[in-house]
Amino acid sequence: NAGVMQNPRHLVRRRGQEARLRCSPMKGHSHVYWYRQLPEEGLKFMVYLQKENIIDESGMPKERFSAEFPKEGPSILRIQQVVRGDSAAYFCASSPGLQYEQYFGPGTRLTVT
Amino acid sequence: TQLLEQSPQFLSIQEGENLTVYCNSSSVFSSLQWYRQEPGEGPVLLVTVVTGGEVKKLKRLTFQFGDARKDSSLHITAAQPGDTGLYLCAGDTGNQFYFGTGTSLTVIP
Repeated sequence: NAGVMQNPRHLVRRRGQEARLRCSPMKGHSHVYWYRQLPEEGLKFMVYLQKENIIDESGMPKERFSAEFPKEGPSILRIQQVVRGDSAAYFCASSPGLQYEQYFGPGTRLTVT
Repeated sequence: TQLLEQSPQFLSIQEGENLTVYCNSSSVFSSLQWYRQEPGEGPVLLVTVVTGGEVKKLKRLTFQFGDARKDSSLHITAAQPGDTGLYLCAGDTGNQFYFGTGTSLTVIP
């Protein structure tokens, strides 16, 4: 069984550019969660999606950040006009449903120069 | 405000010692998970506890869920260098998962 896949693993962007982070959930999982982690810190919830629906985006900044999980293809976390403060590790997790365990991908490390 | 507080935040011990990590909240959870994360990797699920007072063992790791389902502990016996990592608890309120602040453990050979 393939686990949760994230790509790229490392992403470098200059200030003002766009960053696109991709997440393919485990087979059979229709729920995707995005988290952000700064060094030596825990995980901060950003957004929870099911196929074609955003269920909870309470943790996502209202500007520059967006997420989608289309009917076909991976979930995408998009950050427009990146700033240095966006530098962090972004993790995606998937589950078969809300009250099930979440399984994490290896993360994308975003560096904004 | 942080829904789940973990203590200690950092812990450095010698190989062979025992340790306990705590995860506390004023909220009730329908389930609680413990994860371990190594540098450069995503968190890996260790265990899920569901019933108040439940105790689960995973080799040298013992997990306990509080009777009121508001807190949990992780006890490691005879720690090994391979136990080094960031330990995260996560609670499910039924609406959302909340992650704890994390405990960074270093086991010195």
